[in-house]
Amino acid sequence: DIVMTQSPDSLAVSLGERATINCKSSQSVLYSSSNANSLAWYQQKPGQPPKLLLYWASTRESGVPDRFSGSGSGTDFTLTISSLQAEDVAVYFCQQYYSTPFTFGPGTKVEIK
Amino acid sequence: EAQLVESGGGLAQPGRSLRLSCEASGFIFDDHGMHWVRQVPGKGLEWVSSISLSGSNTHYADSVKGRFTISRDNAKNSLYLQMNSLRPEDTALYFCAKGKIGVSSSDVFDVWGQGTMVTVSS
Repeated sequence: DIVMTQSPDSLAVSLGERATINCKSSQSVLYSSSNANSLAWYQQKPGQPPKLLLYWASTRESGVPDRFSGSGSGTDFTLTISSLQAEDVAVYFCQQYYSTPFTFGPGTKVEIK
Repeated sequence: EAQLVESGGGLAQPGRSLRLSCEASGFIFDDHGMHWVRQVPGKGLEWVSSISLSGSNTHYADSVKGRFTISRDNAKNSLYLQMNSLRPEDTALYFCAKGKIGVSSSDVFDVWGQGTMVTVSS
């Protein structure tokens, strides 16, 4: 199974500042034939189901604000919120879909400083 | 608007069974792989099972293999999870999720239901 790890466990960022979350997979999730990374990011607010933010590591889901961006390849990935808004307070999870079992990172809690 | 509504959760004794259902609307159901993901409240996400568009291909987490069965009825726009031999560690909120990419063995989840809670306890 591909193990996903995230850092930090939590972070507090001032409104308008940048938030950066890291995700690492225990093996590469890059499809060499298509040069696509099977890595997604989700946002989960209290009492709500997760919401898909990004897939293929950097493709924004429809309706997701452009302050959310993803980068990385192979085993190391980053989710960046360029200018944190109050509504971005949530837990963020990465997920690999390179192979089953699909696995998620443990989550990173983002709060306002 | 795509929507998923789960039902069938509740309290079950260890070793007993439950059947979860997920009713889909707002999208062409048989154009998408479907999935079950669970979450212990306040904890992380665990993928449980996936099923292909036609239902011919299924995938399971090792933790549920041999005990849970995923199925779908495309005529009824419905997804199911038959849960047998339940264990206390199966206690979680079970989400139904719609696949975006269309391959049940490699997919992301772009629409989620609100979840149905399963509690396994004597």
